[in-house]
Order: sequence, then structure tokens, then C-alpha cells
Amino acid sequence: KAGVTQTPRYLIKTRGQQVTLSCSPISGHRSVSWYQQTPGQGLQFLFEYFSETQRNKGNFPGRFSGRQFSNSRSEMNVSTLELGDSALYLCASSFGQNTGELFFGEGSRLTVL
Amino acid sequence: AQSVTQLDSHVSVSEGTPVLLRCNYSSSYSPSLFWYVQHPNKGLQLLLKYTSAATLVKGINGFEAEFKKSETSFHLTKPSAHMSDAAEYFCVVSDRAGGSYIPTFGRGTSLIVHP
Repeated sequence: KAGVTQTPRYLIKTRGQQVTLSCSPISGHRSVSWYQQTPGQGLQFLFEYFSETQRNKGNFPGRFSGRQFSNSRSEMNVSTLELGDSALYLCASSFGQNTGELFFGEGSRLTVL
Repeated sequence: AQSVTQLDSHVSVSEGTPVLLRCNYSSSYSPSLFWYVQHPNKGLQLLLKYTSAATLVKGINGFEAEFKKSETSFHLTKPSAHMSDAAEYFCVVSDRAGGSYIPTFGRGTSLIVHP
């Protein structure tokens, strides 16, 4: 069974640009959640989608958004990038609504210059 | 509100000696507790979980954790460390506040294993 797949794995952007990250969950999993990991702030919850609906949202500005498609694949978008957005963005899937038992992808490492 | 504190940012052990990674939590509800491991440049992998069943939880790769409600702790142990255990470990608490589960991650403990 294929795991959680995130693309791209690495990307470099400049301030002011926008970026879209993609996540394909494990087959059959309907919940996808996103996390930002930085050395300074650790792992922080961004949002969770279940059956194409955003169920929960963390404490991030509106520049961070996401969506989920009917096949459970998810994308997150960050607009007007700032230097502080440089981070590892992790996607995780679970069968039901996010209960903490998560299956993570390897992440997308974003560098903002 | 929920929170989790990992009491050590780094733990250093010799191969073959016991491992103890400490985690204290705070939760207004009956929490679910988890330990995840992250190897360099990888995503997180679930080691074990506590969801109000047995208080001693066995996980993968020989790891165990004991839920102690009176001490609000969920420490991770392993009898004998292996070089491959060197990684970052995260304690996670998740409770059903407001009808939804939102996980809160500890800051992580880096386990260093010396030969």
C-alpha cells in the first residue's frame, strides 16, 4: 500500500511569490491534515480536511489556505511568501477524522529567499 | 486547552543501555496520547498510542510508554538502545475539545546513541 506522497519535495521561492504544495493520502484515507515544522516553532497544526470540507484550522494567517478534492488529494497554498514561511511542510492522512493517529508524508521543504 | 511538555531537548545514551524520554501533558478532557519518531529528512512515524485502554502501551521497535494520570505523564522507554534509534521523538496529545481533535506536538527530544 503506497504511503502519503508529497510533491514537490524541495522548492525555493522568493518573497512575495506564492506556492502550492500537493499531498496524496493513503488509499482509503479521507482525512488530510497539514503541519508546519520549523526549528523555532516546532510542529504546528495548519488545517485539516475531511471529505472536501475544512474541519479545523490552526492559528495561521489567511495567506495559508488549502483544499481537498473528491479523491481525497489535498493542496495547500501560501500566498505572498515571507522569509518566515521557510519550513518543512508535512501532510498527514488518517482514515477517519483526525484523531491523532496520523500517517505522514516526507514533507515539502520550502525555502523563501 | 491542551499542552505537552517534553522535559529534555536532548538525551544521550550508549548503545545497549536503556532509553527514557519524558513527556508531561495537560488536557481538559480524556486525552489520546502518542509518540512519533522522525528520522532526518523524513516524515513522522507513529511509535505507539494511548487511547484509554491499557495504561502500559507497547509500540514498534521495542518501545513502550506508560500513561500515569496522577502524574500527567506519558514517558517513552526502551530497554536497550540501538544505533538506529537515533532520531527526533515527539510526544503528542489530542483531545476532543470543541468536538474536534487537534493534535498538539511537544518540541521534540533528540535521541543520540553512542556506539
